Amino acid sequence: GAGVSQSPSNKVTEKGKDVELRCDPISGHTALYWYRQSLGQGLEFLIYFQGNSAPDKSGLPSDRFSAERTGGSVSTLTIQRTQQEDSAVYLCASSRQPATLHFGNGTRLTVT
Amino acid sequence: QKEVEQNSGPLSVPEGAIASLNCTYSDRGSQSFFWYRQYSGKSPELIMSIYSNGDKEDGRFTAQLNKASQYVSLLIRDSQPSDSATYLCAVSYGQNFVFGPGTRLSVLP
Repeated sequence: GAGVSQSPSNKVTEKGKDVELRCDPISGHTALYWYRQSLGQGLEFLIYFQGNSAPDKSGLPSDRFSAERTGGSVSTLTIQRTQQEDSAVYLCASSRQPATLHFGNGTRLTVT
Repeated sequence: QKEVEQNSGPLSVPEGAIASLNCTYSDRGSQSFFWYRQYSGKSPELIMSIYSNGDKEDGRFTAQLNKASQYVSLLIRDSQPSDSATYLCAVSYGQNFVFGPGTRLSVLP
């Protein structure tokens, strides 16, 4: 596709439920990042994938959060047993070289 | 802890004026520096990147980097109401990026 695609664009879930957020990066981009942005705040790094290397999970806030990237392309971010503080916009970005991030439109997650 | 700091604003400037946005970073090992613009409800988009000390100009935008002072700035000349947005400073460390909290700019017509 022409850009980074994220789905769903909006997700409302009940506290305690699990959610899956999907990111389809730009074709040929080997690096994929997940960030979280709470209302009025900056971007919080969550996890980074580069090719076949082990992902950098240092930003994941708890063990309820996990992510995988299948076949070096599509990535899924999973949040188990969601809490209200998980409400935020989850942004995915991809890059062909280290220098430039291309962001998707994000998934707005609301936990009620 | 690698940190990137920005004045959260809002910074208000009249149309046609120069807007000056500032950013400081904590780690001298930083390699590359970026400015992203984020309109309300939208995702960030890259507007400038700078890798070496000095100035880099692109149209109405000028990025300035001073590695000795660990300081990077963005100047917007002839500011327009369409420049009203949040500007995020980002610093790369190897393959990773750390973002500042952003400065909200409001250009008044």
